[in-house]
Amino acid sequence: GIQVEQSPPDLILQEGANSTLRCNFSDSVNNLQWFHQNPWGQLINLFYIPSGTKQNGRLSATTVATERYSLLYISSSQTTDSGVYFCAGQGASTSGTYKYIFGTGTRLKVLA
Amino acid sequence: DSGVTQTPKHLITATGQRVTLRCSPRSGDLSVYWYQQSLDQGLQFLIQYYNGEERAKGNILERFSAQQFPDLHSELNLSSLELGDSALYFCASSPDQNTEAFFGQGTRLTVV
Repeated sequence: GIQVEQSPPDLILQEGANSTLRCNFSDSVNNLQWFHQNPWGQLINLFYIPSGTKQNGRLSATTVATERYSLLYISSSQTTDSGVYFCAGQGASTSGTYKYIFGTGTRLKVLA
Repeated sequence: DSGVTQTPKHLITATGQRVTLRCSPRSGDLSVYWYQQSLDQGLQFLIQYYNGEERAKGNILERFSAQQFPDLHSELNLSSLELGDSALYFCASSPDQNTEAFFGQGTRLTVV
């Protein structure tokens, strides 16, 4: 099955710093999403980005589907950005299944 | 608020017991997914339903079962519970099978 690798596994930033999180897929995926899991466990949709670039405030994401990776950029980080960031993709279905496969996450801690 | 409702939010039960977790998808969404997240782990796919039919199974234990009802809500039944079943259980829904998925707030199950 498809493997999803995220890097770095852990990241500590000072408030105001910028960072780039990466997600690599072992095979082609149809769709790709980025999520933020806050300290209370809630999964929040950040981006639905099968390809191209999107921006939402201080966050932006780029997916290069042909090279099987996606990047999440966080600029001017804030303490509320702390948590775990997951990417997830749906495999190209040959058996009628469309499950999202999650990476192991990047644990981010932003210090005041 | 993602629009996906999971109940209960928290559940504490004893080993050997049976519990039912409920998921109400977003209005109009036909596809429902269940995921398990054990402590400090990634999200593991359990099962997917589409318009009442089971479409995909992941690493779901035989002690676990699920169904999607005609009104599209879904239930995940966990029986003969063990300490290792303690986890955060997420439900997600999407309009179709090959589109963006939205996650509920999760049910935190503690088996004592």
